[in-house]
Amino acid sequence: AQRVTQPEKLLSVFKGAPVELKCNYSYSGSPELFWYVQYSRQRLQLLLRHISRESIKGFTADLNKGETSFHLKKPFAQEEDSAMYYCALRGNFNKFYFGSGTKLNVKP
Amino acid sequence: DAGVTQSPTHLIKTRGQQVTLRCSPKSGHDTVSWYQQALGQGPQFIFQYYEEEERQRGNFPDRFSGHQFPNYSSELNVNALLLGDSALYLCASSFGLAGTYEQFFGPGTRLTVL
Repeated sequence: AQRVTQPEKLLSVFKGAPVELKCNYSYSGSPELFWYVQYSRQRLQLLLRHISRESIKGFTADLNKGETSFHLKKPFAQEEDSAMYYCALRGNFNKFYFGSGTKLNVKP
Repeated sequence: DAGVTQSPTHLIKTRGQQVTLRCSPKSGHDTVSWYQQALGQGPQFIFQYYEEEERQRGNFPDRFSGHQFPNYSSELNVNALLLGDSALYLCASSFGLAGTYEQFFGPGTRLTVL
């Protein structure tokens, strides 16, 4: 069965510290993975997708098929990174599966 | 372009009632997906509409139904409301079914069932 797991509900770091938001998935085929972000009082928006291999706002994520993970990383957190982050998987037939989200709190 | 719009913003219903939520996709988009987001959870895929037909469906009962109109806007209908249907309902639009293009989310409709 398709499933996306984000083990941390809350992650607190100090400004300038490295950040890693964990995401593990369960999928039998070849998945496409995404990270979505929701800033306070804003709508859910795409942060990055693994096929793009981009760095967005300093964030990167590498798909590790062996460990079935797609962790989101940033070397130096900024206060404006504070938000809810959701990992998502697009499976067969364009169905999306979201994790339960991790709230990132970057302290000054 | 206002992006994806949803109405109403908030809605309060009682158990057993029926509700209709509305979504207008981003300009140029022809595919609409609906999600249910319970408190503290991530969005759960309900169904997807393309060319006025339901193309994919998540694990939701038949009480959840939808419609897409020729102008690509969409409705989500929920019959026989249960307390557990209380959630934020999100609409997302994109172009085509192939998944090549990004999906954009609306602000959501907050449904409370009493």
